[in-house]
Amino acid sequence: DGGITQSPKYLFRKEGQNVTLSCEQNLNHDAMYWYRQDPGQGLRLIYYSQIVNDFQKGDIAEGYSVSREKKESFPLTVTSAQKNPTAFYLCASSRADTQYFGPGTRLTVL
Amino acid sequence: GQQVMQIPQYQHVQEGEDFTTYCNSSTTLSNIQWYKQRPGGHPVFLIQLVKSGEVKKQKRLTFQFGEAKKNSSLHITATQTTDVGTYFCADNQAGTALIFGKGTTLSVSS
Repeated sequence: DGGITQSPKYLFRKEGQNVTLSCEQNLNHDAMYWYRQDPGQGLRLIYYSQIVNDFQKGDIAEGYSVSREKKESFPLTVTSAQKNPTAFYLCASSRADTQYFGPGTRLTVL
Repeated sequence: GQQVMQIPQYQHVQEGEDFTTYCNSSTTLSNIQWYKQRPGGHPVFLIQLVKSGEVKKQKRLTFQFGEAKKNSSLHITATQTTDVGTYFCADNQAGTALIFGKGTTLSVSS
């Protein structure tokens, strides 16, 4: 069953802790993306990677880090430097022009 | 930087009424994509428009790309409760990630 998986669906963390969100795809897509979604803000790009071992900052990269060691995986770390980390995080991958989104992880920082 | 603007931000209609959302850009759009996100779900690709003046239809949905490639619209004829969700447009600039509008959230009452 092909697709993009994100885990967990809901995540709670204490303020000041780093947390890593998982994103895995078995679609054999080269490009992968991380977005943050807040109410009324649409989708804001955090980081994207067009090929293994390479990634670029998006519009709101501060306080986040990523790695792309394997084609299938693009984990996102929300660091303690991110001032307002509570949000819905969406991972996507693309072949040609179409982006396919995972189900998302809702992160709440207490 | 380039901005993609969508109006209205919210729209409520009675079932059976028509609905239109507009996407505007300060610069020429490359290709415009439309996505739908159901409440609690993730964005799903609907369509891509490439050519100036292009019109595409999917059942009750009609997508248009402006002649100057600076705007696009999505029109839904005779809305149904299944049309509820947030509709995003996104500019697909070659070599970079998509630039999303903030979306139009549609609610439908029966």
